[in-house]
Amino acid sequence: DIVMTQSPDSLAVSLGERATINCKSSQSVLYSSDNKNYLTWYQQKPGQPPKLLIYWASTRESGVPDRFSGSGSGTDFTLTISSLQAEDVAVYYCQQYYSTPYTFGQGTKLEMK
Amino acid sequence: QVQLQESGPGLVKPSQTLSLTCNVSGGSTSSSGSFWHWIRQRPGKGLEWIGYIYNNGATKYKPSLESRLSISLDTSKNQFSLKLNSVTAADTAVYYCAGENAASGIGSFDYWGQGTLATVSS
Repeated sequence: DIVMTQSPDSLAVSLGERATINCKSSQSVLYSSDNKNYLTWYQQKPGQPPKLLIYWASTRESGVPDRFSGSGSGTDFTLTISSLQAEDVAVYYCQQYYSTPYTFGQGTKLEMK
Repeated sequence: QVQLQESGPGLVKPSQTLSLTCNVSGGSTSSSGSFWHWIRQRPGKGLEWIGYIYNNGATKYKPSLESRLSISLDTSKNQFSLKLNSVTAADTAVYYCAGENAASGIGSFDYWGQGTLATVSS
């Protein structure tokens, strides 16, 4: 199984400041035949299902604010929130869909400082 | 917009079978190339992919659950189901059903149900 490791486990950021969450996979999730990274990011608020934010490591899902961006390739990825808003307080997960079993990171809890 | 809704008993006794159903609206379980997934989240924990069923009925399961798991499809009712037998307290979780959008690739989860809590307890 591909192990996904996120850092940090929790993060406190001031309103309007940048938040950065890292995700590392135990093997590359870059598929050579289509040059795509099979990596997604989700946001989960309490009592709600996860919401897809980013797929192919850097493509924003329709309707997701452009303050959310994804970057990285191979085994190292980053989710950046450029200017934290109150509604961004949540737990964030990365997930690989390069191979089954699909696996998630342990989650990063983002709080307001 | 595809919407999913899980249903099933909230309480299951140890060693018995957990049965859940996911009703799909706004999309079709028989659509060519569609994958339908089950994902669970133990209380206070992270997300765990359980398995999927393809529109032709083919399945793929998480290996550690494969011996106890069955996912089936009923295209006439536009729903898919999960059966997990010989449950223990470790199977207590919120169970989500999820679907994909072809644009984001197989194994990304664009659409989620609200989740249903299944508790294993005598």
